[in-house]
Amino acid sequence: GAVVSQHPSWVICKSGTSVKIECRSLDFQATTMFWYRQFPKQSLMLMATSNEGSKATYEQGVEKDKFLINHASLTLSTLTVTSAHPEDSSFYICSVGGRVNTEAFFGQGTRLTVV
Amino acid sequence: KNQVEQSPQSLIILEGKNCTLQCNYTVSPFSNLRWYKQDTGRGPVSLTIMTFSENTKSNGRYTATLDADTKQSSLHITASQLSDSASYICVVSNRAGTALIFGKGTTLSVSS
Repeated sequence: GAVVSQHPSWVICKSGTSVKIECRSLDFQATTMFWYRQFPKQSLMLMATSNEGSKATYEQGVEKDKFLINHASLTLSTLTVTSAHPEDSSFYICSVGGRVNTEAFFGQGTRLTVV
Repeated sequence: KNQVEQSPQSLIILEGKNCTLQCNYTVSPFSNLRWYKQDTGRGPVSLTIMTFSENTKSNGRYTATLDADTKQSSLHITASQLSDSASYICVVSNRAGTALIFGKGTTLSVSS
């Protein structure tokens, strides 16, 4: 299956700063990647669909100006949390695949803590 | 409303014992159902994926069943090991394949 790598695994930042999370598909060219957020003891919630070479598609209630997504190549998507606040502290996970009956492969996730 | 409900919320069993986790869904039109294992602080890893016509699928000590009529699925773990301690997530895809609907997961703790 596809190998998906996220970086960093965890990050602590001060309130008001911005944090960039990278998601790399190491052996699979992904025209589409997905970004999820997971709060403790909760389901993964889809935030946005990252489309290579075009704008991301955001789910309802997700601020596109706060969560900037860039998918500049077939193997890299980035999520930037801008002006982070403590309520943005969460576990962020990216994935590739998963459409129709295809397998979905997830990155190892990034734990963001905003202090 | 598309929903995936899992039970129990958490479960503690002794090493070597079997257990069964449940998943009920209301996703329509249904495409497939997946079970994932998520270790703490890690991303989910696929265990099985079943389409409408499949009733059962095994992956080692994991066996998933699907009843598309009653919209229920189960994940049976045989001869549990300490490394099975994790959250098990049921995920259902709609026929358009445009969305994955995640359950909240069952947290399994296997103790020695």
